[in-house]
Amino acid sequence: EDQVTQSPEALRLQEGESSSLNCSYTVSGLRGLFWYRQDPGKGPEFLFTLYSAGEEKEKERLKATLTKKESFLHITAPKPEDSATYLCAVQATGGFKTIFGAGTRLFVKA
Amino acid sequence: DAGVTQSPTHLIKTRGQHVTLRCSPISGHKSVSWYQQVLGQGPQFIFQYYEKEERGRGNFPDRFSARQFPNYSSELNVNALLLGDSALYLCASSLQGGSNQPQHFGDGTRLSIL
Repeated sequence: EDQVTQSPEALRLQEGESSSLNCSYTVSGLRGLFWYRQDPGKGPEFLFTLYSAGEEKEKERLKATLTKKESFLHITAPKPEDSATYLCAVQATGGFKTIFGAGTRLFVKA
Repeated sequence: DAGVTQSPTHLIKTRGQHVTLRCSPISGHKSVSWYQQVLGQGPQFIFQYYEKEERGRGNFPDRFSARQFPNYSSELNVNALLLGDSALYLCASSLQGGSNQPQHFGDGTRLSIL
């Protein structure tokens, strides 16, 4: 069964303290892996799509990487405005379903 | 450009009632997906529609149904509401269905069942 697991559930950082969020996935065949950011009371906001192992994408303080079994979202020198829930999702080949993990809640303290 | 719009933003219903939620996709997007998000969890896939055809369905009971209109807007219907249906219902649109293109989400409808 296709599955996505994110860790940790919650992460508390000081401003400027870099860290990584993990997304482990099990799919029969990967069509794409997505990272989203979700603020309280809002819908998820698209960040990145990764398609194949070894691929990397960057945007401001965020960098996403992909292997055959997991993806990492690296946050460099985070700021309080980076506080949000970060969601990982996968689409498997041969289907139309997008499977989300439960998310990592990130808190960045000034 | 307008993003994905959903209505209403909040809704309160009682058990046994039915509800209709509406979604307008980003202009040019032909695929709409619906998700249910319970507090503290990630979104769970309910339906995907592309060109007015149902392309995929998640593990939800037949009380949940949806449709897509010629202008690509969509409705999600839930009958015989249960307390457990209380959640944030999200709509997402993408250019095509069944592809690896990213989905763009609306801010959802918060449904509370009393």
